[in-house]
Amino acid sequence: EVQLLESGGGLVQPGGSLRLSCAASGFTFSSCPMSWVRQAPGKGLEWVSGISDSDGSTYYADSVKGRFTISRDDSKNTLYLETNSLRLEDTAIYYCAKVRNYFYFGMDVWGRGTTVTVSS
Amino acid sequence: QTVVTQEPSFSVSPGGTVTLTCGLSSGSVSISYYPSWYQQTPGQAPRTLIYSTNTRSSGVPDRFSGSILGNKAALTITGAQADDESDYYCALYMGSGISVFGGGTKLTVL
Repeated sequence: EVQLLESGGGLVQPGGSLRLSCAASGFTFSSCPMSWVRQAPGKGLEWVSGISDSDGSTYYADSVKGRFTISRDDSKNTLYLETNSLRLEDTAIYYCAKVRNYFYFGMDVWGRGTTVTVSS
Repeated sequence: QTVVTQEPSFSVSPGGTVTLTCGLSSGSVSISYYPSWYQQTPGQAPRTLIYSTNTRSSGVPDRFSGSILGNKAALTITGAQADDESDYYCALYMGSGISVFGGGTKLTVL
């Protein structure tokens, strides 16, 4: 069974940092592009970042560019999102998602999310 | 800035048919945007319904279908059921690994 399990969320002050992790199982992680998608309280989904499988190319939404860094460790089947200079508006549930072969096909499997709360 | 538009809300009667749409603030949606559709119930993670305009994800009933209608992507639910009451999001691929979600449509079945 394909599973994604996020962790690392929590309460952080504005300007602070958190590293989110996503442990993958049930598929060949190293062969799959991956993405992070977030959802602020009561709001819609927002694509945040993606990383390719082949060459590790990374992609970011303008709202997080320069502050967030996506990475992966294929030896540990784990996806990461380093979040820095956090703002109140970064408060959200962060979902890890497996990309269906190519980024243009979108996400096919989702984790249950980890909650990040930015507050003083 | 590219804005993906969806109806904020829609209602359908049980057994009825409803079509939700996904457009662009500027321009037309075509298959080149590889529209995908996701369903989310409160407190749950999203579930993938449709990708690449009209391909159903594994396990999705065939009463869910995707298409291009005019200048928008569309999700049609035929024979709506009570448990179809959810939020529905479309996403469009903008190139360079980047996708943009619409604001979502809250579907009520009553």
